[in-house]
This record gives sequence, structure tokens and C-alpha cells, in this order.
Amino acid sequence: AQKVTQAQTEISVVEKEDVTLDCVYETRDTTYYLFWYKQPPSGELVFLIRRNSFDEQNEISGRYSWNFQKSTSSFNFTITASQVVDSAVYFCALRRSSGSARQLTFGSGTQLTVLP
Amino acid sequence: DSGVTQTPKHLITATGQRVTLRCSPRSGDLSVYWYQQSLDQGLQFLIQYYNGEERAKGNILERFSAQQFPDLHSELNLSSLELGDSALYFCASSVGIGGKENTEAFFGQGTRLTVV
Repeated sequence: AQKVTQAQTEISVVEKEDVTLDCVYETRDTTYYLFWYKQPPSGELVFLIRRNSFDEQNEISGRYSWNFQKSTSSFNFTITASQVVDSAVYFCALRRSSGSARQLTFGSGTQLTVLP
Repeated sequence: DSGVTQTPKHLITATGQRVTLRCSPRSGDLSVYWYQQSLDQGLQFLIQYYNGEERAKGNILERFSAQQFPDLHSELNLSSLELGDSALYFCASSVGIGGKENTEAFFGQGTRLTVV
């Protein structure tokens, strides 16, 4: 069975602070994909990143960066110099890379509030 | 815009009724996934269709059913509705299965169902 844990239910920061959202996963698969999605107050799910399990290179996209550590089964997400528009619920998700069942298993989400 | 279209955006109905949610996948995508997002259960996978055939089933109630039509649009039918069925229902699409299913799932904006 696959499981994703986002232990931080809510995080509140002041604008321009850096913030890290934690994600820990469990899977018996040797290859898999990890994702982060953002859900703003409007409700849609916005894709942020996909990471293949055999690529442990960290990734940076503007103010966003992701730290994937297979040894600790973690895929953490850092927002640098946070902005009010970053306020949203962030979901980490896991998906198999083989077999016919390719659905996403989501964590419970972290509500990020960035205060002005 | 993800390219996935869900209708209606909002739906209010009474207990015991039946509703149909519609999803049009991105052009060229063969797989359609349905997810339910509720306050107590979080984001949960319901069912996947690929090119008209059911491929995977998650925590979908027997009162719920889905199908994918030859034009690849999908419908999720919810019957004998209960208050607890109130949730945001998402549809997602991706390219396919096998070696081609290595892309992220693109989500529609969701249908917010309120059962009163």
C-alpha cells in the first residue's frame, strides 16, 4: 500500500520568510513518481512539480525548491521569500510508475498562510 | 487552464436524489480519474477509466458509478445521495497507461456538490 504523510496541518509565516513543507511517503515500489500540487482558495488543483524516484537531484524553480531524499523517503518543498499569493493548501502525492493503477495517493495537505 | 473541463461547477441537491457529473479530458488524453475531496477524508481516488474501460477502483461507494464514452468524456453518477456525499469532485486526465503514462495528471476545476 502507498501512503503519504504531511505532518504539518497548518503553517503561518510572515511575508518574505522562507517556509518548508514536509512530505514523507511509503511505498513498496522501486520506481515511482512524487508530486506537489497547490490548491488556492478558489479550489482548483495546480500542478507544481513531478519527480521521478530515480532522479534525486534537487530542483529549483524561481522561489520554489524541492529536496528529494530517497534514503529518508522524503520530498520536501521550500518556498523562499514567501508572498501572500502563496497562501494555499499544498498537497504532496505519490503515484506508481508501473502497472495499470496509476492513480495519485495524496497526503492530507498543509494549509499555508502568508501574512502581510 | 489545465484543459480538463468539468460541469457543472456547483450543484445543490437534496438527500436521496441522483446527480451526474461530467468531465471532458484534455485533447488526446485517454485516461480519466475521479477523485473526491471532503473535509474528513481528504483527497481520495474513486475510479479510473482508460479508453472506455475501467482500470482501477478506489474507495468508491456502490451508490456511485462512472463510465467513459467513445468520445472519451466521462460521467460520474452519484445516487441515493446522503449529506456526507457533499464534497468537491475532481476529474483528472493523463495520456494513457504503459510507457506513455509518465506525465502528471491534469485536474479540472472540480464540481462542488452540496447535499441538503
